Amino acid sequence: EIVLTQSPATLSLSPGERAALSCRASQSVSRSLAWYQQKPGQAPRLLIYDASNRATGIPARFSGSGSGTDFTLTISSLEPEDFAVYYCQQRSNWLFGQGTQVEIK
Amino acid sequence: EEQLVESGGGLVQPGESLRVSCAASGFSLNSYTMSWVRQAPGKGLEWVSYIGISSSDIRYADSVKGRFTISRDKAKNSLYLQMNSLRDEDTAMYYCARERGGYYFDTWGQGTLVTVSS
Repeated sequence: EIVLTQSPATLSLSPGERAALSCRASQSVSRSLAWYQQKPGQAPRLLIYDASNRATGIPARFSGSGSGTDFTLTISSLEPEDFAVYYCQQRSNWLFGQGTQVEIK
Repeated sequence: EEQLVESGGGLVQPGESLRVSCAASGFSLNSYTMSWVRQAPGKGLEWVSYIGISSSDIRYADSVKGRFTISRDKAKNSLYLQMNSLRDEDTAMYYCARERGGYYFDTWGQGTLVTVSS
C-alpha cells in the first residue's frame, strides 16, 4: 500500500507570505496526485490534479509541482481565506495524506 | 449548477444499520464513477467505497468490507451507502464525491453525519 506523508503538520504564516506544503509518497505515483483544501464545517475542495493542473476556478496563486514520490503545493501569497487544512491524495486505493494545517501566525 | 446533496445520517446504536443517500443535480450521476469518503470528528479524510459507471466494478476499504454496500439508482440519479453492523469507529461525516481522471474528486456533497453510540 502506498502511503502519503504530509509535512509539516502545521504551518504558521502571515497573510502575504509564501506557503510550501510537502507530500511524499512511499513509492512512485507518477503524476497521479491531487491536492484539496478544507475549511472548518465545509467539504473538501479540489485545488490541483495530476500534480500540477489547477481545477476549475482555482486562483493562480495555487500551484502544484513534483512527480514520482515528492510533491509540493505552493501558495504564492497567502490570502486570509487560504488558512485551512490541505490534503494530498493519490490513485492507489484513493488514499489521502494526513493533512497540513495552515494557520495564521 | 452541478451539485451533490447527501441525506440519511443520524444517531444509531452499535450493531444497527443505516442507509445514506446522495442526490445529484445539474448532471447525470450515471455518467460518472462515484465514491463515498468519510471523515471522523477532528480527523482526516478516508476513502470508503467506489462504484463504476456500470455498477459492475465496486470496491471497499478494508475497514468496511463485508458491512457496507454501495449502489446507485439511475432513475433517481442517486447514490447510496447501506451500512450494516455499525461500530463506534464508523462515526463520521460521510461525503459522496464525483470521481474524475480515475482517482481525484472534483465535486463533493456537503456531507451527512453518522453517529454510532450507545
